[in-house]
Amino acid sequence: DADVTQTPRNRITKTGKRIMLECSQTKGHDRMYWYRQDPGLGLQLIYYSFDVKDINKGEISDGYSVSRQAQAKFSLSLESAIPNQTALYFCATSDLGTQYFGPGTRLLVL
Amino acid sequence: TQLLEQSPQFLSIQEGENLTVYCNSSSVFSSLQWYRQEPGEGPVLLVTVVTGGEVKKLKRLTFQFGDARKDSSLHITAAQPGDTGLYLCAGTTGTASKLTFGTGTRLQVTL
Repeated sequence: DADVTQTPRNRITKTGKRIMLECSQTKGHDRMYWYRQDPGLGLQLIYYSFDVKDINKGEISDGYSVSRQAQAKFSLSLESAIPNQTALYFCATSDLGTQYFGPGTRLLVL
Repeated sequence: TQLLEQSPQFLSIQEGENLTVYCNSSSVFSSLQWYRQEPGEGPVLLVTVVTGGEVKKLKRLTFQFGDARKDSSLHITAAQPGDTGLYLCAGTTGTASKLTFGTGTRLQVTL
């Protein structure tokens, strides 16, 4: 089984809809992250959490919110999706060095 | 905002050729990582360099961290089709485990 899983893997939604992307990990790491990836822009950090009670904004947090339900679970919400949030979204976990990424969620906002 | 610029953005070469990918910044990083990402998957760590001037080799891949810890390079010798993918550099500052990612280099190696 994969160490970092994301659901759904693909999602199509309409402008204005609320959606949630979920991430689970079995690595036992305290640190979890959400990134979005757009062509030519690498990965941009949306939110990160260093433990269950610690949530921090990243570079591009506007329009997004997160919830750390447990050490193993970190979800990303788009309260009112807009087309420019169409992107590939990755969850990651880390120990003090290496980040381990999930397989990604491809989101299309129409 | 710390920026990491990678060049070239795209690279298409034939099997057996050598190539170098560059990662440059005006900021100093405490460590620099290189990841490779294949279609449909998340990035996977290849190497971490932490000392200015450090050189690390991973089979046919050679990674170098600049003396001033502002830049890095990845050199691939005798590229193979299995090297095809998106290569991302990422830097950290201080003791935080937040990464700043580069813009990526998409490599295609053909037979």
